[in-house]
Amino acid sequence: DIVLTQSPALAVSLGQRATISCRASQSVSISRYNLMHWYQQKPGQQPKLLIYRASNLASGIPARFSGSGSGTDFTLTINPVQADDIATYYCQQSRESPLTFGGGTKLELK
Amino acid sequence: EVKLVESGGGLVQPGRSLKLSCAASGFNFNDYWMGWVRQAPGKGLEWIGEINKDSSTINYTPSLKDKFTISRDNAQNTLYLQMSKLGSEDTAIYYCASETSGGMDYWGQGVMVTVSS
Repeated sequence: DIVLTQSPALAVSLGQRATISCRASQSVSISRYNLMHWYQQKPGQQPKLLIYRASNLASGIPARFSGSGSGTDFTLTINPVQADDIATYYCQQSRESPLTFGGGTKLELK
Repeated sequence: EVKLVESGGGLVQPGRSLKLSCAASGFNFNDYWMGWVRQAPGKGLEWIGEINKDSSTINYTPSLKDKFTISRDNAQNTLYLQMSKLGSEDTAIYYCASETSGGMDYWGQGVMVTVSS
């Protein structure tokens, strides 16, 4: 299985940039496709797709969210962080079955 | 509007079985792979498995392959998760979601399953 590693928590100030990383145990890229996706989950809610295939903004997601990376190293950036962004963020790979999620990064206010 | 609504959860005794349903509307269910994800209390997301459009391909996470069975009824726009030999470790919120090459784009609100005597 492909293991995805995320830092458990990140403290950030409102209005600043937040950078959340996800490292895969093996490449999740096929040709030009980077099969890594990012989700936001707030307490008591279902996850929401933010970024698909590493760098594509999902429908209705604000432009302050962006994603980058390829191979084994991926980043979700929120700039600037707003109060509504306080949540837990998960990466997920769809390069091969079983699909796997990272452990999640809880974004907290500094 | 896309809607995924899970049902069938609740309190179940250890060792028993339970079948969850996920009713889909607002999109062409027949054209989508579908998946199940669960989340134990206070924990992260765990992918359970997926099923393709015509049920000819079903994949599971290895640790759950012998306990859980995914199926679908395209005529009823419904996805199912049959769970057997349930234990306390299966206590979680269970989500259904549509899958594309761009990730899991639509999610249900989830249904709670509690395994306890």
